[in-house]
Amino acid sequence: DAGVIQSPRHEVTEMGQEVTLRCKPISGHDYLFWYRQTMMRGLELLIYFNNNVPIDDSGMPEDRFSAKMPNASFSTLKIQPSEPRDSAVYFCASSLGTADGNTIYFGEGSWLTVV
Amino acid sequence: GENVEQHPSTLSVQEGDSAVIKCTYSDSASNYFPWYKQELGKGPQLIIDIRSNVGEKKDQRIAVTLNKTAKHFSLHITETQPEDSAVYFCAARRYGNNRLAFGKGNQVVVIP
Repeated sequence: DAGVIQSPRHEVTEMGQEVTLRCKPISGHDYLFWYRQTMMRGLELLIYFNNNVPIDDSGMPEDRFSAKMPNASFSTLKIQPSEPRDSAVYFCASSLGTADGNTIYFGEGSWLTVV
Repeated sequence: GENVEQHPSTLSVQEGDSAVIKCTYSDSASNYFPWYKQELGKGPQLIIDIRSNVGEKKDQRIAVTLNKTAKHFSLHITETQPEDSAVYFCAARRYGNNRLAFGKGNQVVVIP
């Protein structure tokens, strides 16, 4: 299994530009999560999907952030317009089912720098 | 919501010694407690987990203990090796809730 695949791995963009991060979950997994990691706040859950439907987006910081999952094998996290404080590592993760203890598998992350 | 805290933030140990990281949680209804290891430039990877009906679980050099009364759980790494150097995250989750609450992480440095 290839694991959770994220792209791009690294992105440097100018303030005000649109940023799109992409994720391919593990085949067969029905839950997909987007996390943000910073030194100050640690790992924060932004949003998660079940069977392509957004279930909880209470962690999305503001309207500049949006996430979609058009099918079971693809999701995007978009920031428009981007700001320097959005600089962080963004992780996509996926898991199978809702049974207690199901492992959440993380991708390698997308390292975003907004200058 | 659940609040998870980790101590100490950084831990340095001599190779071969043991390392212990402790986490406390706030929600007494939490019943699933995983530990993740994150190496530089990579995503977190699950290394061990424990459920609330168990007090201890071992997997080779790694063990996790849970004290539900005190609401804390600990990661024990014995015979540490340089490849154990990483950031370790604890997390907690309530049954039926897909939200994992993560601690801020502990940097473990194994000195050869």
